[in-house]
Amino acid sequence: AQSVTQLDSHVSVSEGTPVLLRCNYSSSYSPSLFWYVQHPNKGLQLLLKYTSAATLVKGINGFEAEFKKSETSFHLTKPSAHMSDAAEYFCVVSAPGYSTLTFGKGTMLLVSP
Amino acid sequence: GAVVSQHPSRVICKSGTSVKIECRSLDFQATTMFWYRQFPKKSLMLMATSNEGSKATYEQGVEKDKFLINHASLTLSTLTVTSAHPEDSSFYICSASLGADSYNEQFFGPGTRLTVL
Repeated sequence: AQSVTQLDSHVSVSEGTPVLLRCNYSSSYSPSLFWYVQHPNKGLQLLLKYTSAATLVKGINGFEAEFKKSETSFHLTKPSAHMSDAAEYFCVVSAPGYSTLTFGKGTMLLVSP
Repeated sequence: GAVVSQHPSRVICKSGTSVKIECRSLDFQATTMFWYRQFPKKSLMLMATSNEGSKATYEQGVEKDKFLINHASLTLSTLTVTSAHPEDSSFYICSASLGADSYNEQFFGPGTRLTVL
């Protein structure tokens, strides 16, 4: 069994400040982990994924995430927020080699000028 | 990147009618397509996985006679909600992939908002 907990339903930041979106997972095996972003009226877009290679994963648009097995965490970070980063972000877990994706409930990132 | 479209984007129907939602991969051939349902303020729940030319595999608790899935070609899958009721109102999202495992990225459509009156 696997599950994902996104600790914040909403995160508000000012443009130019760092972003931290928190995600904890539960899995009975070595998981694959993903972050997806969903802009209004757009499909979900893959930001980055971890599949048992380097624990620090770099994604698109300056985002990165670090897999910490001891903390069962996969937090998403960005050094400097941009207005265009405002969207809903989903942390996702999957068993390696299997198609079933288990989604967190999402975190809405709000960016103010 | 790969593009997946859904049609319609929004649909309103009367209770008891059937509604068909199309999912198309526009610039690649999708061996596997997935259908998800998203409730307000909830995460996406996988409903079923379909491979081109074969029957869909439904997740536990999803009625296969209620949610008919057809994957007749490598670029098109359809979800038909039969005899829709207000509790079927939801946001339905499809995704398409080159393969059935998590090493193959799933490309998501923009979703279809279904409202059943």
